[in-house]
Amino acid sequence: GAGVSQSPSNKVTEKGKDVELRCDPISGHTALYWYRQRLGQGLEFLIYFQGNSAPDKSGLPSDRFSAERTGESVSTLTIQRTQQEDSAVYLCASSYNAPPGEQFFGPGTRLTVL
Amino acid sequence: AQSVTQLGSHVSVSEGALVLLRCNYSSSVPPYLFWYVQYPNKGLQLLLKYTSAATLVKGINGFEAEFKKSETSFHLTKPSAHMSDAAEYFCAVSDPPGNKLVFGAGTILRVKS
Repeated sequence: GAGVSQSPSNKVTEKGKDVELRCDPISGHTALYWYRQRLGQGLEFLIYFQGNSAPDKSGLPSDRFSAERTGESVSTLTIQRTQQEDSAVYLCASSYNAPPGEQFFGPGTRLTVL
Repeated sequence: AQSVTQLGSHVSVSEGALVLLRCNYSSSVPPYLFWYVQYPNKGLQLLLKYTSAATLVKGINGFEAEFKKSETSFHLTKPSAHMSDAAEYFCAVSDPPGNKLVFGAGTILRVKS
């Protein structure tokens, strides 16, 4: 398909374990974004990639969170030593960099930390 | 910094009635504004976007929004609600230079038969 894909769709883990979330953006989209949506709350920005570089990491909540992007394509969001407050839906979006920067979202990964 | 306020976390309308979802923004630069819809257990879908062309923007599924600079508003409307419009709606402003989206808290629309 031509849309943004994310895997896994659901992830249940135990507190203290590490998790990796994957995003495959739309081909040719230079910009990639990660957001988090906690239950009953709005969407929070986490990190933005332009190509393989991350000029804006201001939304990462702690040093337990990291992300990388390779080949100006796939991105992985890693959460180390997961905590219960990390439970959320993690959404990935991609866009062409030029404004207005309309973003296309993936279906999300629902992370549950027990 | 950009910010978005959506008035009303829940809105309930009857089928066939007017839908009005309110969004006010704060932006230090001419904004790019978006409305997204999220159906249950689905990802976000773009409804419409304002990019400084026409102030009245038409989107998918019969929705439209009007950009009013004097009121810093970008309210979403639809003349006649349909049951399939029941979803959560998010207003967002693009925050340069990376164009990350700053979202409002969302409004859940309920359509009564």
